[in-house]
Amino acid sequence: GAVVSQHPSWVICKSGTSVKIECRSLDFQATTMFWYRQFPKQSLMLMATSNEGSKATYEQGVEKDKFLINHASLTLSTLTVTSAHPEDSSFYICSATYIRNTEAFFGQGTRLTVV
Amino acid sequence: GEDVEQSLFLSVREGDSSVINCTYTDSSSTYLYWYKQEPGAGLQLLTYIFSNMDMKQDQRLTVLLNKKDKHLSLRIADTQTGDSAIYFCAEMRGQNFVFGPGTRLSVLP
Repeated sequence: GAVVSQHPSWVICKSGTSVKIECRSLDFQATTMFWYRQFPKQSLMLMATSNEGSKATYEQGVEKDKFLINHASLTLSTLTVTSAHPEDSSFYICSATYIRNTEAFFGQGTRLTVV
Repeated sequence: GEDVEQSLFLSVREGDSSVINCTYTDSSSTYLYWYKQEPGAGLQLLTYIFSNMDMKQDQRLTVLLNKKDKHLSLRIADTQTGDSAIYFCAEMRGQNFVFGPGTRLSVLP
């Protein structure tokens, strides 16, 4: 099946710094990528949807200036958490799909801890 | 409402069958999915069913769909300790996936 690789798997950063998370589709071209946030023992919350070459569409309540999403190519999307705060600590998961496909393929997730 | 609903916990004994239930909301959803999440990991697609099907079987997994009641279930036969995980049902709305809260399956020896 299609493989989505997310990097890093975990990261610890200081408050006020920025962190970039990468999501790569390894063996297919991802026309659409999704970024989710998952709080402990909770379901996935969709943060934004990005289509290659266009601006991301953010869900209501998600700050676009804080969570910068770039989908510059068909195999790479990045999520940058800017000026991170401890409340941004969470598990972030990306998924990718391709046109006319019915499946979404998920990365392994990134655990962000802001201290 | 707009939520996909699932029971949050299920415990079964090793070797028994597990049945995880889900209620979805969008009658126009064309595909419904079951994902598995092990601790600290991303989501793994287990199976999906097209909305014009009532049942789909894949080895130990059986998916039943009651479209009238918008009810989806996942049955795992001969449950093993390696099946312990969180199971999410999801429906596709437009191009987005909407997930239920997840059912934590615990398999007891």
